[in-house]
Amino acid sequence: AQSVAQPEDQVNVAEGNPLTVKCTYSVSGNPYLFWYVQYPNRGLQFLLKYITGDNLVKGSYGFEAEFNKSQTSFHLKKPSALVSDSALYFCAVRAPDTGTASKLTFGTGTRLQVTL
Amino acid sequence: DAMVIQNPRYQVTQFGKPVTLSCSQTLNHNVMYWYQQKSSQAPKLLFHYYDKDFNNEADTPDNFQSRRPNTSFCFLDIRSPGLGDAAMYLCATSRNLEGIYEQYFGPGTRLTVT
Repeated sequence: AQSVAQPEDQVNVAEGNPLTVKCTYSVSGNPYLFWYVQYPNRGLQFLLKYITGDNLVKGSYGFEAEFNKSQTSFHLKKPSALVSDSALYFCAVRAPDTGTASKLTFGTGTRLQVTL
Repeated sequence: DAMVIQNPRYQVTQFGKPVTLSCSQTLNHNVMYWYQQKSSQAPKLLFHYYDKDFNNEADTPDNFQSRRPNTSFCFLDIRSPGLGDAAMYLCATSRNLEGIYEQYFGPGTRLTVT
């Protein structure tokens, strides 16, 4: 069975500082990995994904994530945080295609709080 | 802009009174999903449609049903809402079943059960 761990319930960072939101996964085979962001009372918004290729993936709003197979991690990063980045972030994993739907397994979410 | 639309954004229903939530998409995606999300927890997949093929998750209560009359629309029916069904309901779409395709989410419908 596939699983995702987001070890931090909340991450606090000052505006302008770099941010990291951690994610580790467990899946059989090569994973498909995703990051989504959720603002209050809104749906999830796709940020970026890793399918194959370059381990460093760039996404929306200046976010990037690095796939590390040996550490089974896919941490989300941004060089300079903005107050507007404050939101709930979900990491998700899917095993390679099994002939069924694109069923994602989500982590429990990490709340990012960026302060002035 | 292509998007996923959910109506209404907020729905209040009474205990046991059937309620229907609506989702439409302009992305022309083949797959539509319904998720339940409680209190900023991870979304929980209820079921999905691939075209007209319906796939129910094993642990989705019978109280939850879905209809997809055409490519663009999908409905979530809760036949007899209980207090425990109060949650945010998220509709999502993806181009196809393959895992490489990300899902696009609507803004959600927040359901209150009184």
